[in-house]
Amino acid sequence: EVQLVESGGGLVQPGGSLRLSCAASGFTFSSYTMNWFRQAPGKGLEWISYISSFGGSIYYADSVKGRFTISRDNAKNSLYLQMNSLRAEDTAVYYCARDVPSGGVDYWGQGTLVTVSS
Amino acid sequence: DIQMTQSPSSVSASVGERVTITCRASQGISTWLAWYHQKPGKAPKVLVYGASTLSSGVPSRFSGSGSGTDFTLTISSLQPEDSGNYYCQQASSFPYTFGRGTKLEIK
Repeated sequence: EVQLVESGGGLVQPGGSLRLSCAASGFTFSSYTMNWFRQAPGKGLEWISYISSFGGSIYYADSVKGRFTISRDNAKNSLYLQMNSLRAEDTAVYYCARDVPSGGVDYWGQGTLVTVSS
Repeated sequence: DIQMTQSPSSVSASVGERVTITCRASQGISTWLAWYHQKPGKAPKVLVYGASTLSSGVPSRFSGSGSGTDFTLTISSLQPEDSGNYYCQQASSFPYTFGRGTKLEIK
């Protein structure tokens, strides 16, 4: 069974940092491209970052470019999101998700809540 | 960026009714489109990817169609568990973008 489990969320002050992790199981992690998405309270879904299967291609949304860094460790079946210079508008549930080759994502984690507040 | 215009923003329908949600891309995206269903407090679940491929385990009352700029998600016979929010997403180019969502309420 495919499972994606995020961790690392919490309360952080503006300007602070957090590192999210996503533990993958039930599939060959190194064969899949992965993404991070987020959803602010009461709002829609927002894609924020993509990483190819071995990390050679990385993309970011403009809203996080220069502040967030996506990475992966295929030996540990794990995806990461380093978030720096956090702002109140980064408050959201963050999801990791597995890409489908024909477009879209087929598995999502349960999400981890990041709250940026003083 | 590719803009995804989704309509309607909300719909209320009865059990057994047919419901259609549309999504229009600001430029051609071939069939690089997915549809998701999300219940409050839960992660989204994919219904359709590649514009028309039903994800494993998704009931056959759901169907997706379209290519280029115009796409449709159809629920042929609405069931109570179909309530929630529906989103389209383009995966043709970065940044991936979503429609603003459709809130489906069961009468």
